[in-house]
Amino acid sequence: DAGVTQSPTHLIKTRGQHVTLRCSPISGHKSVSWYQQVLGQGPQFIFQYYEKEERGRGNFPDRFSARQFPNYSSELNVNALLLGDSALYLCASSLSGRTNQPQHFGDGTRLSIL
Amino acid sequence: AQSVSQHNHHVILSEAASLELGCNYSYGGTVNLFWYVQYPGQHLQLLLKYFSGDPLVKGIKGFEAEFIKSKFSFNLRKPSVQWSDTAEYFCAVKAPYGNNRLAFGKGNQVVVIP
Repeated sequence: DAGVTQSPTHLIKTRGQHVTLRCSPISGHKSVSWYQQVLGQGPQFIFQYYEKEERGRGNFPDRFSARQFPNYSSELNVNALLLGDSALYLCASSLSGRTNQPQHFGDGTRLSIL
Repeated sequence: AQSVSQHNHHVILSEAASLELGCNYSYGGTVNLFWYVQYPGQHLQLLLKYFSGDPLVKGIKGFEAEFIKSKFSFNLRKPSVQWSDTAEYFCAVKAPYGNNRLAFGKGNQVVVIP
């Protein structure tokens, strides 16, 4: 079975630009979470979506937004990119939004801001 | 909000040595606890988890962790490491209610020398 897939794998942008990252969950999983992992740090929670609704938001500015589609895939959007947005963006899926469901992570999208 | 502390960010040891990685969390209520591993070039994988019951948890690949509630700790151990255990290890906590948000520590980079 395919795991969590993320695209693109790598991305280079300049300050002020906008970026869209994509995530396809494991088949049958209805919940998707996004994390930002800056070099040398652990992943930081950005959003959780379940059944197309936002179920949680981390401490990130409004430049960060996300949505989940009827097929449970998800997009993370970041506007007005800053140098500090350079990071590995991870997507994780789980069967449901319940807290006893383990999360399965994708390989991530490496975003570099010049 | 939960926070997680991991010490000794870089650990170098020889094959057959024992490994112990410390994890302390700050949260007054009941928590779910996890250890994730990230092998070079791979995605985050779940090593083991604790929700309730026996505080000594067995995971994959010979790893185990002990939950000590009075010390707010969830230390990871392996009696005899192999070269293939070279990886980054992350401790994570989650409240057993609400959304599926994981709070990660900064990680331990473990290098096993053959």
